Amino acid sequence: QSALTQPASVSGSPGQSITISCTGTSSDVGGYNYVSWYQQHPGKAPKLMIYDVTNRPSGVSNRFSGSKSGNTASLTISGLQAEDEGEFYCSSYTSTNTPWVFGGGTKLTVL
Amino acid sequence: QVQLVESGGGVVQPGGSLRLSCVVSGFIFNSYGMHWVRQAPGKGLEWVAFIRYDGSNKYYADSVKGRFTISRDNSKDTLFLQMNSLRAEDTAVYYCTKADGNYFDYWGQGTLVTVSS
Repeated sequence: QSALTQPASVSGSPGQSITISCTGTSSDVGGYNYVSWYQQHPGKAPKLMIYDVTNRPSGVSNRFSGSKSGNTASLTISGLQAEDEGEFYCSSYTSTNTPWVFGGGTKLTVL
Repeated sequence: QVQLVESGGGVVQPGGSLRLSCVVSGFIFNSYGMHWVRQAPGKGLEWVAFIRYDGSNKYYADSVKGRFTISRDNSKDTLFLQMNSLRAEDTAVYYCTKADGNYFDYWGQGTLVTVSS
């Protein structure tokens, strides 16, 4: 069982917006602004999409945004495109003996 | 541009050992911490180990503590993962990733480790 909880799947139609949640505890998501998000296409390495809760790396579309409230972080993708399909993982720094943890992953399907 | 290239994966019997390498380019290796992250077939990502930029501190997931050792050679821009006492549940693609703060900003293509008799 992953330390961070994500929905197994989400879906949306092209042009719509979707949100993926990532729920942890006060020892990780809620305690630090160190949540990051990764997109992974089948057979490929993950790619950083959001870091430190809200920041977008250079080259990542501004259709991707991050936020946090309490122990839950969220990734929102607006104006869904077919190329957004894939698996999304959240990660957080933690104060436990495992300093970094991932969520179980969310499969995004663009209908 | 930043590149990370893993090697050393393969098939090994339970109880065996393997040493993974990750050669990097495109950034100043001795200024950044580095991680290993793995992904079992059809499963999610699991953080494995971290080493500080100078090798002074190392951290491990409970699942590999005492069996895996992370190290680096800053003169050769290379990260290593020595894996001993391998188990079937260690079967995964192993990625080396560059650390920036508390996130993983660049990833290698991964190397597959299969533990099977």
